[in-house]
Amino acid sequence: EPEVTQTPSHQVTQMGQEVILRCVPISNHLYFYWYRQILGQKVEFLVSFYNNEISEKSEIFDDQFSVERPDGSNFTLKIRSTKLEDSAMYFCASSDPSSGNTIYFGEGSWLTVV
Amino acid sequence: GQNIDQPTEMTATEGAIVQINCTYQTSGFNGLFWYQQHAGEAPTFLSYNVLDGLEEKGRFSSFLSRSKGYSYLLLKELQMKDSASYLCAQLDTGRRALTFGSGTRLQVQP
Repeated sequence: EPEVTQTPSHQVTQMGQEVILRCVPISNHLYFYWYRQILGQKVEFLVSFYNNEISEKSEIFDDQFSVERPDGSNFTLKIRSTKLEDSAMYFCASSDPSSGNTIYFGEGSWLTVV
Repeated sequence: GQNIDQPTEMTATEGAIVQINCTYQTSGFNGLFWYQQHAGEAPTFLSYNVLDGLEEKGRFSSFLSRSKGYSYLLLKELQMKDSASYLCAQLDTGRRALTFGSGTRLQVQP
């Protein structure tokens, strides 16, 4: 069964450092997403991406965040200058409108900012 | 923003049936999802309802009433592996992003 894959699975970084989280969405999907989940809290939407541009973003997705699709398969989330409160599990997800609205999630990248 | 309410925790016995309720705001509604999430893992898709009624998929069923802004997930023949959080999530018209509830942590006991 096709799946969304993410790397790294865990990353520890120092406050102020830049982090790039990588994702390979399901190959025939057209919409890509990043969500995050702070430990013990709900899953929160960050950004959606379609046709090589951001289609929607939440209030969380401020200027320190950016997304990119550098080639035909990868989708990345960059956090420019990490803060302690960025510590969370970051989930990449993808969907294909031709097969419904279901969003499929990757296994997540656990980011710890120290 | 959307306000999705579901119970924080539930406990049930192996082999039994449990119903997890979810209420949401009806304005702009375009679909209701249920996901299962084991601790430290990704949400896994369980069901999607956009029309009123019951959708059955094996041991899991999901119900939707659009007029009442209400859904439930029904789990039958509970197994220990069903111990997890169950997330209710709303899709709004014109959006692709899901808004999640806080999740219901289900503990299945022997």
